[in-house]
Amino acid sequence: QKEVEQNSGPLSVPEGAIASLNCTYSDRGSQSFFWYRQYSGKSPELIMFIYSNGDKEDGRFTAQLNKASQYVSLLIRDSQPSDSATYLCAGPGSSYKLIFGSGTRLLVRP
Amino acid sequence: DVKVTQSSRYLVKRTGEKVFLECVQDMDHENMFWYRQDPGLGLRLIYFSYDVKMKEKGDIPEGYSVSREKKERFSLILESASTNQTSMYLCASTPGQGAFPPQHFGDGTRLSIL
Repeated sequence: QKEVEQNSGPLSVPEGAIASLNCTYSDRGSQSFFWYRQYSGKSPELIMFIYSNGDKEDGRFTAQLNKASQYVSLLIRDSQPSDSATYLCAGPGSSYKLIFGSGTRLLVRP
Repeated sequence: DVKVTQSSRYLVKRTGEKVFLECVQDMDHENMFWYRQDPGLGLRLIYFSYDVKMKEKGDIPEGYSVSREKKERFSLILESASTNQTSMYLCASTPGQGAFPPQHFGDGTRLSIL
């Protein structure tokens, strides 16, 4: 069974620092990964997706996929208190279903 | 932008009631999903639909059924609500073509069963 695993955290970083969130996956053939941000009591919001090995940058966010080591990372540069949320990593299951990790809670200290 | 609309943000029902949760998407997506999310248990897939009138059980279908009579609408039905179905329910949709597309979520329905 395909699995996606994340450290639950919390990961605490000071404002302005780089936050690094990691995710490992079990299926060597997977190459489509998604990062969602979820504020407390709200629904998940898609913030990044990556379909190939390497880095993808969008503003302060960089997604990294390392297929050889089977991990996916999300880097948040210049972290802000408003980035404090739970970040969900998701990878492909069967038939367009996603396999979600349990999420990592990020706290950005002012 | 994809818009996925869930009919209620908060809902309170009684044990034994039949409960309907509605979800509508405006992007002509083929695939629609119902999840529930509970603290410590993450997102769990209840049911998935890949076309009108087509459905597939997810990881936790017991106690639930679904209906997809029109492409844009996917309904989750709690046949006889129980207290252990108190949860946050999330609907999502995604197109049925191309490289594995991301899912887009509605705002969620926080359901309490008393």
